[in-house]
Amino acid sequence: AQSVTQPDIHITVSEGASLELRCNYSYGATPYLFWYVQSPGQGLQLLLKYFSGDTLVQGIKGFEAEFKRSQSSFNLRKPSVHWSDAAEYFCAVGPISSGSARQLTFGSGTQLTVLP
Amino acid sequence: GAGVSQSPRYKVAKRGQDVALRCDPISGHVSLFWYQQALGQGPEFLTYFQNEAQLDKSGLPSDRFFAERPEGSVSTLKIQRTQQEDSAVYLCASSERRTANTEAFFGQGTRLTVV
Repeated sequence: AQSVTQPDIHITVSEGASLELRCNYSYGATPYLFWYVQSPGQGLQLLLKYFSGDTLVQGIKGFEAEFKRSQSSFNLRKPSVHWSDAAEYFCAVGPISSGSARQLTFGSGTQLTVLP
Repeated sequence: GAGVSQSPRYKVAKRGQDVALRCDPISGHVSLFWYQQALGQGPEFLTYFQNEAQLDKSGLPSDRFFAERPEGSVSTLKIQRTQQEDSAVYLCASSERRTANTEAFFGQGTRLTVV
């Protein structure tokens, strides 16, 4: 069965500092990988996704993530964090087969606090 | 509409009461998904529709949970005889096509509290 692990429950960084949120997955084949952000009282917003090709993907709001097959990881990074980035971040994996129901398996999330 | 709309935003139900949660997907979106998000957890898949057909309901936790999408647009998630463990945020998402590489757009969710 597929699973996603986000080892950091809570991360605190200062505004302007760099950020890396960790994500490890377990999957039988090459999966589709996603990062979502959830602000309080809001739905999930897609930051970026990886399907194939270049393993470094760029997303919205200055985020990027790198797929490392050998490490089964898909870590999210941002070079300079803004106060508005404070939110909860979820990594998710989905089935690659277009014939399957596209259900996502989410990690338990990482809560990001940004200090002024 | 501009996005996925869910109603009500908040629902308090007494234990044993039946509830119905509504999802209005983005117009024209073929695929619709329901997820359950317990406090402090990531969302967990409940069920998936392609148009009006419910193709996967493997995530529904019990037979008290029932979802429908009779005309291939609006969907309703019904929970019968609610229990305290049903307290969670219920998220609906829709996407344009059934293929996996299509972005799913999420609604703001319905927060259900069973007392």
